[in-house]
Amino acid sequence: DGGITQSPKYLFRKEGQNVTLSCEQNLNHDAMYWYRQDPGQGLRLIYYSQIVNDFQKGDIAEGYSVSREKKESFPLTVTSAQKNPTAFYLCASSFGGGGSGEQFFGPGTRLTVL
Amino acid sequence: KQEVTQIPAALSVPEGENLVLNCSFTDSAIYNLQWFRQDPGKGLTSLLLIQSSQREQTSGRLNASLDKSSGRSTLYIAASQPGDSATYLCAASMNYGGATNKLIFGTGTLLAVQP
Repeated sequence: DGGITQSPKYLFRKEGQNVTLSCEQNLNHDAMYWYRQDPGQGLRLIYYSQIVNDFQKGDIAEGYSVSREKKESFPLTVTSAQKNPTAFYLCASSFGGGGSGEQFFGPGTRLTVL
Repeated sequence: KQEVTQIPAALSVPEGENLVLNCSFTDSAIYNLQWFRQDPGKGLTSLLLIQSSQREQTSGRLNASLDKSSGRSTLYIAASQPGDSATYLCAASMNYGGATNKLIFGTGTLLAVQP
């Protein structure tokens, strides 16, 4: 089955700890994205990548880092510098970063700070 | 700055009713507009994508329209069912610099279809 997988489904972080969220896709998409969703707010873009070994900051990149070593994978690290990391994190992908490509989303990871 | 607004924030209807969800955007320079469905605690499921050159798209009981000049899109759901209960999100695709587009999301309409 083609799709986007995210793991873990639930993640708990202690103060001062870095955690990494996994995102994998087998859709052969070039572009991948990370969004954050908070109650009462629309999704906000954290980072995006149009191609392997390249990525760019989105609107709320502070306290986050990413890598894109493989086309299929785009992990997100939430660092201790992110002061309010409790949120629902969604990964998405599309055939291209530009044009009118449709974005497809994974099931999400809910991160809670203890 | 592009802003996307969805009205109403919540809607409750009896089963079988036809309904319309509204989405408005402030900048007409969009590449496309996507409608998504989100169930509680789940990811987003893409329902319909309307390209900027199109006026509407249909999939089963769903019909989405786009009027760029007025900055509006509507999602029409015919003969609603309890299984349609979810949050519906619209998102406008805008240029984000260079060759990259990004989606600007509304805050969603929470739909409850009562059996």
